[in-house]
Amino acid sequence: DGGITQSPKYLFRKEGQNVTLSCEQNLNHDAMYWYRQDPGQGLRLIYYSQIVNDFQKGDIAEGYSVSREKKESFPLTVTSAQKNPTAFYLCASSIQQGTGEAFFGQGTRLTVV
Amino acid sequence: RKEVEQDPGPFNVPEGATVAFNCTYSNSASQSFFWYRQDCRKEPKLLMSVYSSGNEDGRFTAQLNRASQYISLLIRDSKLSDSATYLCVVTRRAGGFKTIFGAGTRLFVKA
Repeated sequence: DGGITQSPKYLFRKEGQNVTLSCEQNLNHDAMYWYRQDPGQGLRLIYYSQIVNDFQKGDIAEGYSVSREKKESFPLTVTSAQKNPTAFYLCASSIQQGTGEAFFGQGTRLTVV
Repeated sequence: RKEVEQDPGPFNVPEGATVAFNCTYSNSASQSFFWYRQDCRKEPKLLMSVYSSGNEDGRFTAQLNRASQYISLLIRDSKLSDSATYLCVVTRRAGGFKTIFGAGTRLFVKA
């Protein structure tokens, strides 16, 4: 079955640690995105990528980094520079950026302990 | 002011009621419009696209008013299973395309 997979589902991070969230899709989509969602709030764009080896900052990129070495994969690293990383992180993909339906992974819930 | 604004609710309605959500967008260059549904602690999923002529999918009707820059979602004969957060989504050109999500409107349907 085609889809988009995020792992892990739950992640606990100690203060000062970097952690990497995985996102893999087998939909052959060019565009991939990372969003952050805080309780009772909408989705805020962290980074997006329109094509392999290219990515752009979204609205809240500070403290995060990404790579897009393969079409299928768009991992997000939450660095120690991100001061308030506890949130629900959603990865999505679409055929092209901004067009048509965006398909989401099931999300990673990150908690700083 | 946010580019896409929705009434956060919550809307509490009895089963069988009709409920309407509005969403306003501030950028007149917005091109595509969607409603997504998000269940508690789950990922958003596309409910329906919104077309200029309006469109219907079973109990759900979506409408777009470009002149006033708002879109609406009408749910008829509400079911308990309709309880969720409904996200308004707008795309527009910004270099490439940009997709903007509203904060969502929470709906609770009660027996």
